[in-house]
Amino acid sequence: GAVVSQHPSRVICKSGTSVKIECRSLDFQATTMFWYRQFPKKSLMLMATSNEGSKATYEQGVEKDKFLINHASLTLSTLTVTSAHPEDSSFYICSARVRERVQETQYFGPGTRLLVL
Amino acid sequence: AQSVTQLDSHVSVSEGTPVLLRCNYSSSYSPSLFWYVQHPNKGLQLLLKYTSAATLVKGINGFEAEFKKSETSFHLTKPSAHMSDAAEYFCVVSETLSFQKLVFGTGTRLLVSP
Repeated sequence: GAVVSQHPSRVICKSGTSVKIECRSLDFQATTMFWYRQFPKKSLMLMATSNEGSKATYEQGVEKDKFLINHASLTLSTLTVTSAHPEDSSFYICSARVRERVQETQYFGPGTRLLVL
Repeated sequence: AQSVTQLDSHVSVSEGTPVLLRCNYSSSYSPSLFWYVQHPNKGLQLLLKYTSAATLVKGINGFEAEFKKSETSFHLTKPSAHMSDAAEYFCVVSETLSFQKLVFGTGTRLLVSP
């Protein structure tokens, strides 16, 4: 199956700093990637849809100026948490969409755990 | 609008006994349905998917699921649980053909005891 990687796997930062998380499709090209946030013992919440070469589409309630998304190539999307605060601490997961005939499947990265002190 | 209901937040089984994780969906159009598994502090792994082909779908690690339109269900089963199956399982729906974002269920934690 398609492989998606994320870097870093864990990051600790001070409040007020910015953190960049990378999502890469390793063996395929992904015109569309997705960023999710998962709170402890909760389901995944879609934050935004990242489209290669264009602006990301954010879900309602997600601050686009705080969560900057860049999808500059067909294999890389980045999420930057700007001016991080402790409430931004969470598990961030990306996925990449693969089109297989008439069907599409999302393959997920291993996630990035962010802790803001 | 689509939605998914996972009826059990926790399911406990003994090793070697059958597993049943229940999922009901709501979709206006022809749905695609997925089961993903998440082990602690890990990302999600696709177990299996239904996209309007055979109603009985076989996945990895011995799991399978049956799409029942009349019952709007897509329950996940496995004949014999293994300790390594202990994880969080998510039932997910999206619309086939006009692919929309994935809608996740709230998850079911599977506990496997020796």
